[in-house]
Amino acid sequence: EPEVTQTPSHQVTQMGQEVILRCVPISNHLYFYWYRQILGQKVEFLVSFYNNEISEKSEIFDDQFSVERPDGSNFTLKIRSTKLEDSAMYFCASTPRRGTNTGELFFGEGSRLTVL
Amino acid sequence: LAKTTQPISMDSYEGQEVNITCSHNNIATNDYITWYQQFPSQGPRFIIQGYKTKVTNEVASLFIPADRKSSTLSLPRVSLSDTAVYYCLVARGTGANNLFFGTGTRLTVIP
Repeated sequence: EPEVTQTPSHQVTQMGQEVILRCVPISNHLYFYWYRQILGQKVEFLVSFYNNEISEKSEIFDDQFSVERPDGSNFTLKIRSTKLEDSAMYFCASTPRRGTNTGELFFGEGSRLTVL
Repeated sequence: LAKTTQPISMDSYEGQEVNITCSHNNIATNDYITWYQQFPSQGPRFIIQGYKTKVTNEVASLFIPADRKSSTLSLPRVSLSDTAVYYCLVARGTGANNLFFGTGTRLTVIP
């Protein structure tokens, strides 16, 4: 069964460093997302991406965050200068269709980011 | 988006049917009700989605009354592996697929 894959599974970084989290969405999907979950808290929407541009973003997704689809397969989340509060599990998701009445979001297993 | 309210936690014995009810009083006409499951350190996994009445798949059933202000996820004969957090979400029927997760219901299945 096709799945969303994410790398790395765990990354430890120093505060102020740049981090890139990578995702390979399911191949025929067109809509891509990043969510995050701070330990013990809710899953929070960060950003949605379609046709090589951001569709929507949350308040969390400030200027320190950026997303890119550099080629036909990867979808990346970059955090320019990490802060302690960026420590979380980051989930990538994809779906082939627009509108959540038409199906599910497929989530990856997540990338755990630890900022020291 | 309509806010959802569901129990924080539930316990059940193996083999029992579990019903988790969610209230969404401010659901809009175009909104769909969606349930996700999340195991520790894993991404959420879609369980079921519905608009009204009853929907059933190989995993669960979803019951939605006529006023759509609540919904009930029914898990038949739970096993230990069903221990997880279950999220009820109201998803916009149009626009981007932005799911807004609440705190969910932590289901613990007891042997």
